[in-house]
Amino acid sequence: GAGVSQSPSNKVTEKGKDVELRCDPISGHTALYWYRQSLGQGLEFLIYFQGNSAPDKSGLPSDRFSAERTGGSVSTLTIQRTQQEDSAVYLCASSLHRNQPQHFGDGTRLSIL
Amino acid sequence: AQSVSQHNHHVILSEAASLELGCNYSYGGTVNLFWYVQYPGQHLQLLLKYFSGDPLVKGIKGFEAEFIKSKFSFNLRKPSVQWSDTAEYFCAVILSGNTPLVFGKGTRLSVIA
Repeated sequence: GAGVSQSPSNKVTEKGKDVELRCDPISGHTALYWYRQSLGQGLEFLIYFQGNSAPDKSGLPSDRFSAERTGGSVSTLTIQRTQQEDSAVYLCASSLHRNQPQHFGDGTRLSIL
Repeated sequence: AQSVSQHNHHVILSEAASLELGCNYSYGGTVNLFWYVQYPGQHLQLLLKYFSGDPLVKGIKGFEAEFIKSKFSFNLRKPSVQWSDTAEYFCAVILSGNTPLVFGKGTRLSVIA
């Protein structure tokens, strides 16, 4: 389809392992965003990409979190040495340009045992 | 820090009742305002947006929202709700300049027959 695609849809892993989440934005969208949705916490902004650069990393909760975007398209969010508090739904969104409405993917549900 | 407040955590209405969900933001400058909806098991979708012009904006499915600058509010309304409106509703604000989209914590709407 033409929407934002995220993989995997579900990920269960043991505490301490590294995980990598993938986002394929809508073709042509220059802006890409990662959010985290936890129960009762709403959506927490993590990082924003304009093209391949990340002008705003202010939301990354710790240095265990990192993200990259290559070719102005696909982005990966990596969480190293996962902790139980990392359990959440990780959402990716893209927009044609900054400040335009964002289109969301279905998210990756991450469960840390 | 800028923030978005949604006053109601969970709203329960009967079909045909009128709906108003509150949203307030804390920023005095130029803002772009959004309401997103997340139906059960689905991804976030844009309901409506305000960038400029007429402060009363119409969205999909009969929803509307009014931007009242003096009250820093962008409340969502619908004159008569349906069972299919059961979902979680998120207000979001993006400030002028290079800032991320800030979401409220969401309001869960349950419509009962």
